[in-house]
Amino acid sequence: EAQVTQNPRYLITVTGKKLTVTCSQNMNHEYMSWYRQDPGLGLRQIYYSMNVEVTDKGDVPEGYKVSRKEKRNFPLILESPSPNQTSLYFCASSLSPGITDTQYFGPGTRLTVL
Amino acid sequence: AQSVAQPEDQVNVAEGNPLTVKCTYSVSGNPYLFWYVQYPNRGLQFLLKYITGDNLVKGSYGFEAEFNKSQTSFHLKKPSALVSDSALYFCAVRVPWAGSYQLTFGKGTKLSVIP
Repeated sequence: EAQVTQNPRYLITVTGKKLTVTCSQNMNHEYMSWYRQDPGLGLRQIYYSMNVEVTDKGDVPEGYKVSRKEKRNFPLILESPSPNQTSLYFCASSLSPGITDTQYFGPGTRLTVL
Repeated sequence: AQSVAQPEDQVNVAEGNPLTVKCTYSVSGNPYLFWYVQYPNRGLQFLLKYITGDNLVKGSYGFEAEFNKSQTSFHLKKPSALVSDSALYFCAVRVPWAGSYQLTFGKGTKLSVIP
């Protein structure tokens, strides 16, 4: 089944404890992206990647890191999480960076930083 | 900068009645417009998109949307609502020549279909 998977689905952590949220897609998509969803703010893009080893900042990149060493994986790294990073996170992918391409979303990761 | 507005936080409609979820956009030039739906505890699912051509776009689950350039709107519609349509709906826009591959989302509209 074609899908985008994220792990973990739920995570509670404490301030300053480094964490990684994994994202993997099995559709051979070039383009991958991370969003956070907050009530009243909709989805905001954190980082995106147009291909392996090519990443760029979105609207809200502060406090986050990403890497794209393999085409299928695009992990999101929080080096020192803070409470304002408590949010619902979505990974997405599309076949190419083309702007008409439909993005496919993962199921989401709900992160709570205490 | 491109932006998307969904003027209603919540829309309530009776089952069987037509539904409309509103979306307006602000960009320079012609946009590419998308609608996504999010069911509880699920990721976003693509519904439909407008790229070019016919202003009326048909999508999944019986939904359609009408692109109106003069009113800069892209409202989502369905002739007869189902209880299972209850979900959070997001409008999104991309601009072809902005040099960015960013998809800008609206804040979302919660649709409740009342039995």
